[in-house]
This record gives sequence, structure tokens and C-alpha cells, in this order.
Amino acid sequence: AQRVTQPEKLLSVFKGAPVELKCNYSYSGSPELFWYVQYSRQRLQLLLRHISRESIKGFTADLNKGETSFHLKKPFAQEEDSAMYYCALKGLRGGKLIFGQGTELSVKP
Amino acid sequence: DTGVSQDPRHKITKRGQNVTFRCDPISEHNRLYWYRQTLGQGPEFLTYFQNEAQLEKSRLLSDRFSAERPKGSFSTLEIQRTEQGDSAMYLCASSLIRTGHTEAFFGQGTRLTVV
Repeated sequence: AQRVTQPEKLLSVFKGAPVELKCNYSYSGSPELFWYVQYSRQRLQLLLRHISRESIKGFTADLNKGETSFHLKKPFAQEEDSAMYYCALKGLRGGKLIFGQGTELSVKP
Repeated sequence: DTGVSQDPRHKITKRGQNVTFRCDPISEHNRLYWYRQTLGQGPEFLTYFQNEAQLEKSRLLSDRFSAERPKGSFSTLEIQRTEQGDSAMYLCASSLIRTGHTEAFFGQGTRLTVV
């Protein structure tokens, strides 16, 4: 079965602290994974994808096939990072996305 | 705004009524997806189109749900005989399928409340 698990519903940190949002997946084959972000009152938007190996807004995510994880990290959180974060897996067919339940990140001043 | 557009943004309806939502994808995007999101959950896939062809439907999509994309551009999602359990945010996304680029762009959603 294809599944994405985000174990934390809420993660609260202080500004400047490191952040790690956890994501584990279940998939047979070579997975394609994404992180989407939804800021308050805005639409869901792509933050980054594992195949790009890029850093966006200071965030990075490394695919670990051995641990079936794709955790999102940032060394120094900013208040503007406060948002809902969704980890997503591209399904076997058609490009549909399978989302985790989401983690709300709250960065306090 | 040249992004994915959904209409209406909010809909309140009485149980048993029919509702229809519209999605206008990004111009020239050939794939269009519908998702449903309930409180505290991530979006769940409902169905998708490539051009005008509906290629996959989730088991979540009961017989009361129907989606169309008649000319391969905008799409409609209709729910017949609405039930309180249909209350959710309905999201539309579109993408352009070409080698190495499959990013999905989302609309702002239609929030349905069934009373």
C-alpha cells in the first residue's frame, strides 16, 4: 500500500531553533516525494521535491530509502515559516499525490 | 491571477440538494485533479483527467459524485443528494505532463458545508 505518515500534528519551536518535520512513506518501487506548504489563507504550494535536491527558503529534505523517510529540515526557523506542511508521494499511476496528514509548524518569537 | 481558479469559494447547502463546483486550470495544463480535504487531514485524491478523458477515480468517489472536463479545459464536480459527510474542502490542481516536470498547482478550494 502507498502511504505517507507525518507523526506530528503540531511542532512548536522558537525563532532561530532548528526544525525537523518528519515524514515516512510506504511505497513499492522508486518513490517521488514532495513537500507542500500552506501559509495562512493561501493555497497549497510546492515547497520542494526530492529529485531537485534543492534548498528552498532554507529548507532541505533528503530521501532515505533505507529508513523510508523524507524529513524536512531547516537549521534556523523564522516566524514566517509558520504554516501547515504536507509531505506527499506521487502515486504509481497518473501523477496523483498521496498526502500525509500534515504538520502545523508554529515558530514563536 | 493566472493560477488555478475555483468557483465558488464557499457553498452552504441543505442535505439532499445537488451542488456543482467549477475548476479552471492553468492554461495549457493537460492534467486536472480533484482532491477532498477534511479537517485535520491532508488532501485525498478523488479523480483526475488527462485532457478530456477521466482516467482514474478513487473509491472515495461514490455514485453521487460525478466529474467532467468536456473540452479538456475547465472541469466540474457535481455532488448529488448531498450528505453531511460531504462537508469538506474540495481542491482542484492542474499540471503539465512533460518529461521531468510534473509539479501540481493547486487552487484555493471550494469549502462545502452541508447543513
